[in-house]
Amino acid sequence: ETGVTQSPTHLIKTRGQQVTLRCSSQSGHNTVSWYQQALGQGPQFIFQYYREEENGRGNFPPRFSGLQFPNYSSELNVNALELDDSALYLCASSSRTSDNEQFFGPGTRLTVL
Amino acid sequence: QKEVEQNSGPLSVPEGAIASLNCTYSDRGSQSFFWYRQYSGKSPELIMFIYSNGDKEDGRFTAQLNKASQYVSLLIRDSQPSDSATYLCAVRWGNTGKLIFGQGTTLQVKP
Repeated sequence: ETGVTQSPTHLIKTRGQQVTLRCSSQSGHNTVSWYQQALGQGPQFIFQYYREEENGRGNFPPRFSGLQFPNYSSELNVNALELDDSALYLCASSSRTSDNEQFFGPGTRLTVL
Repeated sequence: QKEVEQNSGPLSVPEGAIASLNCTYSDRGSQSFFWYRQYSGKSPELIMFIYSNGDKEDGRFTAQLNKASQYVSLLIRDSQPSDSATYLCAVRWGNTGKLIFGQGTTLQVKP
């Protein structure tokens, strides 16, 4: 157990809908990164948040957005869902002083129909 | 060319043998390298990371880094059936927190 929690565990949406995924970071960690993992692939970096600001973004369209709150928890929002958005969404927390060690939460499995 | 490449496997080894997992990367400026283990249906779990050329040992695991050849490997000694999982290699991109992952190698340890 890493101490990183995510909700919900599973989610089913239809194309065009919007979704919000949530992540609580490990105690003492102030940085949250979000990844998308399609079946059979490695995780792909979406973006990272540090001190409530986006601190790096991967190759994802603007309909993927996020927030970080003062308690370092974070949300990932995806608008206008597409079938290809079906994946496991992972958040990873880390400490700014040891950003190399990113610890993953259990993930949210999103299915878009 | 993919930025981080791994053989998808499966790599099959008998119990007690040494499993060798390999990874190559394209960015010569990469400084930090990571190995994660992912059981089916679960999230990735950090095994170890390495910065410097050479070997780094942690229990039954040894990470090896060769920056000149742009490859990093993970050796698992005395492999156990519980080691059966997908092993993900990741490279930190520049000075950001972005990790670039390979597609993973599936390891099967047969009793």
